[in-house]
Amino acid sequence: QSALTQPASVSGSPGQSITISCTGPSGDVGPYDYVSWYQQHPGKAPQLIIYDVINRPSGISDRFSGSRSGNTASLTISGLQAEDEAVYYCNSYTGSSWVFGRGTKLTVL
Amino acid sequence: EVQLVQSGAEVKKPGATVIISCKVSGYTFTDYYIYWVQQAPGKGLQWMGLVDPEDGETIYADPFKGRVTIAADTSTDTSYLELSSLSSVDTALYYCATHSGQVLSAFDVWGQGTMVTVSS
Repeated sequence: QSALTQPASVSGSPGQSITISCTGPSGDVGPYDYVSWYQQHPGKAPQLIIYDVINRPSGISDRFSGSRSGNTASLTISGLQAEDEAVYYCNSYTGSSWVFGRGTKLTVL
Repeated sequence: EVQLVQSGAEVKKPGATVIISCKVSGYTFTDYYIYWVQQAPGKGLQWMGLVDPEDGETIYADPFKGRVTIAADTSTDTSYLELSSLSSVDTALYYCATHSGQVLSAFDVWGQGTMVTVSS
């Protein structure tokens, strides 16, 4: 159950778009549709922002979008805002358990 | 509204056992799994395991097998995480999580977290 691979950090200026990738062994991110993304601000519990690869829970801005190609899932944030600065984690069902990515720190310049 | 309320911070000595609780409200306790997630200071999220409150069935992540027990008490709508043989590496924030009903394949409701400090 190795952690999924994410870039340690990404950055972007307000208004720009960024994409965070999430890659795992073929048995993790690839075959299942249960890929989700979480946003965590300092001192706060994680918040679900994308589930089932592409879906947004109610109340989540449409600036957040998810996708997948093969064994890599991606989170795209468009129209970056200062409040988007946080750590983002992917998560995937592996067939018998769940595994998180190591997290990506997003800095809004 | 689905809510998860966790027990307070704990300070334990190495070798001890800690039990953390997670009381749920706002839905039928046996409808959804309860998940537990560990977050060491400054580190990422690590999935620990889950319990199905309906039948008590559990699944544990490999790194925690043999040291962790997750249970569900349907009389009090409370899930428990027990972690034994504590060492400094277990110093972390522990979260319980579940589903709201809108989403059944991800963790969209989280407790506030319980800090466990292991120190001699």
